[in-house]
Amino acid sequence: DAGVIQSPRHEVTEMGQEVTLRCKPISGHDYLFWYRQTMMRGLELLIYFNNNVPIDDSGMPEDRFSAKMPNASFSTLKIQPSEPRDSAVYFCASSLIRVGTDTQYFGPGTRLTVL
Amino acid sequence: GQQLNQSPQSMFIQEGEDVSMNCTSSSIFNTWLWYKQDPGEGPVLLIALYKAGELTSNGRLTAQFGITRKDSFLNISASIPSDVGIYFCAGRGGYQKVTFGTGTKLQVIP
Repeated sequence: DAGVIQSPRHEVTEMGQEVTLRCKPISGHDYLFWYRQTMMRGLELLIYFNNNVPIDDSGMPEDRFSAKMPNASFSTLKIQPSEPRDSAVYFCASSLIRVGTDTQYFGPGTRLTVL
Repeated sequence: GQQLNQSPQSMFIQEGEDVSMNCTSSSIFNTWLWYKQDPGEGPVLLIALYKAGELTSNGRLTAQFGITRKDSFLNISASIPSDVGIYFCAGRGGYQKVTFGTGTKLQVIP
């Protein structure tokens, strides 16, 4: 199994530009999570989906952020317009939640730099 | 929102020494999780705890779910250089939303 796949691995953009981060979860997993990691705030949950449906987006910082999961094998996190304070590592994780198991498998992350 | 305080923030230890780190919460959790993150990678689950008082081992790692359900600790025995990384605790109160601690950065001196 290839694990969770994220693209791009690195993104450098200018303030005001639209940024789209992509994630392919592990096949068969029914939960998908988007996290943001910064030195100041650590790992923060932004949003998560169950069977492609957004369940909790209370961690999404503001309206500039949006996430979609059009099918079980693909999700996007979009920032429009981007700002320097959005610079962070964004992780996607997926899991197959069953009683007694909590393993979320994380992707390698996308390091975003907004100039 | 829920806060997870993890300590220490960083540690330098000699190879072969034991390590202990802990996590406290302002709220009760139903599940405690411990992750390790290597540079340039995503976190990887080390141990999951599901019951108050539970003590679980994974090789040289041992973790406990506190009786009050507001704390947990992780011990690493006989540290080796590949233990270097950032260790995160995480708690799950309900549904699938997980709150992460601030991390403990571990450096092992050979």
